[in-house]
Amino acid sequence: DSGVTQTPKHLITATGQRVTLRCSPRSGDLSVYWYQQSLDQGLQFLIQYYNGEERAKGNILERFSAQQFPDLHSELNLSSLELGDSALYFCASSLTVAGNTIYFGEGSWLTVV
Amino acid sequence: GESVGLHLPTLSVQEGDNSIINCAYSNSASDYFIWYKQESGKGPQFIIDIRSNMDKRQGQRVTVLLNKTVKHLSLQIAATQPGDSAVYFCAENTGNQFYFGTGTSLTVIP
Repeated sequence: DSGVTQTPKHLITATGQRVTLRCSPRSGDLSVYWYQQSLDQGLQFLIQYYNGEERAKGNILERFSAQQFPDLHSELNLSSLELGDSALYFCASSLTVAGNTIYFGEGSWLTVV
Repeated sequence: GESVGLHLPTLSVQEGDNSIINCAYSNSASDYFIWYKQESGKGPQFIIDIRSNMDKRQGQRVTVLLNKTVKHLSLQIAATQPGDSAVYFCAENTGNQFYFGTGTSLTVIP
């Protein structure tokens, strides 16, 4: 158990809908990362937050957004969902922003039908 | 350094043999490296890490070797067990970004 908690574990939703994925980082970690992993691609970095502030952006679509709250938990919002958004979404956390191990949660499996 | 399309290299080893998994990284400025193990449907699990001021680090049954000259990283697993079957991938840290390799699928034959 990495200490990173993600909910829900599985989610099935229809195209055009909106979902929110939730992540609680490891105790004491200030940085949260979101990654997408689909069958035909490896881990794709989406976005990173550090202590409530956006720190880095990767290949995140405009339909997706995220935030980190004062209690350091984070949410990833996915809207206007398309079939191609079906993937595993991982949250990871680390102590600070650079040079520290990042620990992954078990992921949220999103299926868009 | 960024993750690319998945045509995973595969490695099959007999139970009890040693496994060596390789990773080429792209950025000579990367100063921190991590090996992860990912079992099907699960999150990547930290195995071992190494900083660029080292060339070898050992853990329990695992050893990571870093060759900065050729930008190569390897993971050695001693006495491979069926529970070691998974996808293994390396991550390189440059600044505050981690870049992940595509991974190698390890199958342990009982």
